[in-house]
Amino acid sequence: DIQMTQSPSSLSASVGDRVTITCRASQSISSYLNWYQRKPGRAPKLLIYGASSLQNGVPSRFSGSGSGTDFTLTISSLQPEDLATYYCQQSYSTPPENFGQGTKLEIK
Amino acid sequence: EVQLVESGGVVVQPGGSLRLSCAASGFIFDDYTMHWVRQAPGKGLEWVSLISWDGDKTYYADSVKGRFTISRDNSKNSLYLQVNSLRTEDTALYHCAKDRGGSYPGVFDYWGQGTLVTVSS
Repeated sequence: DIQMTQSPSSLSASVGDRVTITCRASQSISSYLNWYQRKPGRAPKLLIYGASSLQNGVPSRFSGSGSGTDFTLTISSLQPEDLATYYCQQSYSTPPENFGQGTKLEIK
Repeated sequence: EVQLVESGGVVVQPGGSLRLSCAASGFIFDDYTMHWVRQAPGKGLEWVSLISWDGDKTYYADSVKGRFTISRDNSKNSLYLQVNSLRTEDTALYHCAKDRGGSYPGVFDYWGQGTLVTVSS
């Protein structure tokens, strides 16, 4: 079973800051890593798939990088609407059952 | 526009059963694997089950194996989750999600808003 570990579990940043969230897999998952955004009261939204591919319609301030076991989600310039919890998920194995525990992003 | 609309969530007693439904539109439903993902209050996302485009392959999380059954009716563009022997720890918002498919299977590219299941005596 592949374990996904995110850090930090929460963070607070100011509008305009560069924000980085990391995700580590317990074994190599190549580039089969995805990132989701969950805003309060809203359905989860796919941001990044395949470690670095931006989903259609997602603002370009979001980017993803990494391969193997270590991955990063970066928000280049934080906006107020980015208040949310962010989850990584591996799609290397079938079923693709492993999510990270989430990173709650607050705006200062 | 892809739309996924869940229904069927209610308050139910431990040991009870119910069937969740997900109505899909805006894409060719029978081309895609579909999933159920849940989120318990104050907890993270938990994948529950998947079903292949033709219904031939199904998978379940260990936490629900033997109690939950996923199915689909491609003629009705609908996904279902039969949930039996409910436990308090099954209390959650249940989302259906579409698989992206293609070169990136296992990616959940569209989600519904969810239907709330509360297991309580």
